[in-house]
Amino acid sequence: KQEVTQIPAALSVPEGENLVLNCSFTDSAIYNLQWFRQDPGKGLTSLLLIQSSQREQTSGRLNASLDKSSGRSTLYIAASQPGDSATYLCAVKGSGAGSYQLTFGKGTKLSVIP
Amino acid sequence: EAQVTQNPRYLITVTGKKLTVTCSQNMNHEYMSWYRQDPGLGLRQIYYSMNVEVTDKGDVPEGYKVSRKEKRNFPLILESPSPNQTSLYFCASSFPGRGNEQFFGPGTRLTVL
Repeated sequence: KQEVTQIPAALSVPEGENLVLNCSFTDSAIYNLQWFRQDPGKGLTSLLLIQSSQREQTSGRLNASLDKSSGRSTLYIAASQPGDSATYLCAVKGSGAGSYQLTFGKGTKLSVIP
Repeated sequence: EAQVTQNPRYLITVTGKKLTVTCSQNMNHEYMSWYRQDPGLGLRQIYYSMNVEVTDKGDVPEGYKVSRKEKRNFPLILESPSPNQTSLYFCASSFPGRGNEQFFGPGTRLTVL
């Protein structure tokens, strides 16, 4: 069964720093990997989606990479801002027949200090 | 605006009183699913639907029912809610032809007393 781990569970950085969030998964047979942002008590906002055949995706100050063979993905945030404070979740979709399930990590809670 | 909507957003109820949480999407997505989010456990899938009249169990289906009579709607039914179903619930939808990117609703916070 797929397991997704996110380290660290919480991270606090000063404004302006570049930072990396990590996500690892146990089964490399994935269809895609998706990074989400969740604000307290709110829903999930999709940030980046990487297909299994891709190595990275970029959107503004965000860059996500995928190394399927090693079971790892990273989310790079450049020039962090207080508005980036949120919980970041990664989720993996399996590639097996009939696999309609997303497996989520427990998230990294990011605090950007002004 | 493309979106997934859920109602109600907040609900406090008592043990055993049947309730329904509605979910609707306007993106013509085939896949829809329900998740619950609990502290320390993360997001876990309850049920999913591949299309109209096609549903299947996720990781934690006990105590829940779903139906998919129309493509846009996927209600979650709790026939006899219990306190251990107090949680934050999310509905999601996706379209396989666009990389299966998942779109989430705003969440329903349910408290069962």
